[in-house]
Amino acid sequence: EIVLTQSPGTLSLSPGERATLSCRASQSVSSSYLAWYQQKPGQAPRLLIYGASSRATGIPDRFSGSGSGTDFTLTISRLEPEDFAVYYCQQYGGSLLTFGGGTKVEIK
Amino acid sequence: EVQLLESGGGLVQPGGSLRLSCAASGFTFSSYAITWVRQAPGKGLEWVSTISRNGGSTYYADSVKGRFTISRDDSKNTLYLQMNSLRAEDTAVYYCARDWGWEPSSYYYYMDVWGKGTAVTVSS
Repeated sequence: EIVLTQSPGTLSLSPGERATLSCRASQSVSSSYLAWYQQKPGQAPRLLIYGASSRATGIPDRFSGSGSGTDFTLTISRLEPEDFAVYYCQQYGGSLLTFGGGTKVEIK
Repeated sequence: EVQLLESGGGLVQPGGSLRLSCAASGFTFSSYAITWVRQAPGKGLEWVSTISRNGGSTYYADSVKGRFTISRDDSKNTLYLQMNSLRAEDTAVYYCARDWGWEPSSYYYYMDVWGKGTAVTVSS
């Protein structure tokens, strides 16, 4: 089973700052199988990025994804107030889906 | 509007059973694999189970294998999760989600439409 490790656990930033979130896999992951989600308290997850770097429909271009192999990154270029949330990476491999433990982006 | 709506959650004793439903609308339900994901209180997301778009293939996390059964009724646009032998650690909000993967032709694996979730509490 591929384990996804997200870091940092919590990111304290101010609106307007840049956020860089990391997702590291225990084995190589196909970029096509790597996605990122945003979740706000009391809400369902929302798809942000699929295929490691493709933005989902309606996602602002301040969100971008990159990476390959075992290292993937979600970048929020300039944080808006509505971006403070928990972010999860997810991968598929070997008939299993796994999620990372999440990174909370909080207001500093 | 593309929508998924879960129901059937509630309080159940350890060892008991519960059946969750997920009703789809606004899209061709039979054309998609559907996945259950759960989230224990204060914890992260955990994949539970997936059913392929024709129902011919089912997949389970080790934590629920042999206890949970996923099924679908495309005539009713509804997904089910039969949960037996429930344990305290199954306590969570259960989400269903439209899944673009799990087919031989799938290039991507991601879930783009999610329901609001239904809460399951396993406690005596």
